[in-house]
Amino acid sequence: DTGVSQNPRHKITKRGQNVTFRCDPISEHNRLYWYRQTLGQGPEFLTYFQNEAQLEKSRLLSDRFSAERPKGSFSTLEIQRTEQGDSAMYLCASSRNIDNEQFFGPGTRLTVL
Amino acid sequence: GEDVEQSLFLSVREGDSSVINCTYTDSSSTYLYWYKQEPGAGLQLLTYIFSNMDMKQDQRLTVLLNKKDKHLSLRIADTQTGDSAIYFCAESMGPRNAGNMLTFGGGTRLMVKP
Repeated sequence: DTGVSQNPRHKITKRGQNVTFRCDPISEHNRLYWYRQTLGQGPEFLTYFQNEAQLEKSRLLSDRFSAERPKGSFSTLEIQRTEQGDSAMYLCASSRNIDNEQFFGPGTRLTVL
Repeated sequence: GEDVEQSLFLSVREGDSSVINCTYTDSSSTYLYWYKQEPGAGLQLLTYIFSNMDMKQDQRLTVLLNKKDKHLSLRIADTQTGDSAIYFCAESMGPRNAGNMLTFGGGTRLMVKP
């Protein structure tokens, strides 16, 4: 399967715990995006990488959130000291520099109890 | 700021045409997109239109863009039960500008009745 993959698909955690999600983009895609989607809403942009460089961060990305893409391939999104308001679907997408189409992964659904 | 709005819900009968509407506020939007999301699945790009176009047709899908009114629509001809999903309108400034981040509307849930 050469699509975007995300792990885990589901994560249930207690408030205050740290969680980390992983995204593996399509192999030749140098752009990688993270979005967050809450129930009944459209996805909202969080951050974007071009290769290993994090070039843009949304105001939604509080200092409890950190994202990395150390070798320009897979990316991780970590949330520290989770809050109930962090419960959402976290979507990853990738694209080539010149393309309009962003290919989305299936998402990681986070539930914070 | 950027804002993309859609109606929440649309119900049609199988075989009819569906028209899903979207309005946006950012006049610098260069590309406008329609994505489909089925339950438990990620987003699938259906089609997109460049802002200097008025219309784009792709098989059963027709996209109409009224740039003056900042109004975008997606028409699905001969709607099938498999078209039941949530449809998102999105806009961006394009891949050559500032990373091409997408701004999405809230989604329109399309229900197709047999």
